[in-house]
Amino acid sequence: EIVLTQSPATLSLSPGERATLSCRASQSVSSFLAWYQQKPGQAPRLLIYDASNRATGIPARFSGSGSGTDFTLTISSLEPEDFAVYYCQQRSNWPPTFGQGTNLEIK
Amino acid sequence: EVQLVESGGGLVQPGGSLRLSCAGSGFSLSTYWMTWVRQAPGKGLEWVASIKQDGSEKYYVDSVKGRFTISRDNAKNSLYLHMNSLRAEDTAVYYCARELKTVYYYYGMDVWGQGTTVTVSS
Repeated sequence: EIVLTQSPATLSLSPGERATLSCRASQSVSSFLAWYQQKPGQAPRLLIYDASNRATGIPARFSGSGSGTDFTLTISSLEPEDFAVYYCQQRSNWPPTFGQGTNLEIK
Repeated sequence: EVQLVESGGGLVQPGGSLRLSCAGSGFSLSTYWMTWVRQAPGKGLEWVASIKQDGSEKYYVDSVKGRFTISRDNAKNSLYLHMNSLRAEDTAVYYCARELKTVYYYYGMDVWGQGTTVTVSS
């Protein structure tokens, strides 16, 4: 099983700041990685697919990069609605796995 | 509107059974892998099971193998999760999601249902 380790566990920032979230895989997942945003009481929402492609309707301030074992989700300038939990997920090998999440909170 | 709607959750005693359903609308389920993901209270996301477009391949997380069965009825545009021998640790919100993957690209789980809550308790 591929383990995805997200860091940091919690990130405290202010609106307007830049957020950088990391996801590291225990073995290569090529580019078969996605990022999701989840707000309390809501289903997850797809942000990034295939490591670096924004999903439909996702603002340009969200970007993904990386391949192999190291991936990054960047939010260029935080909006109030961006404070949420973010998960990475791999679909390279069975079973698909999620990272443990990064809680992006308002400072 | 493209959407998925789950149903069938509820309170069940340990050892009991439930069948979750997921109805798709606005698109054809037959185009996509379909997946169940769960989230225990206060915890992260956990993949549970996936089924290929034509039902020919099914995969499960180890903790549910032999107890849960994923199935689909493309004619009814629906996905199911039959859960037997339920345990307290199966308590979670269960989401269905559509998923598209090719040999070269992974398009992610781009449409999710609102979730249905399963509580296993005596």
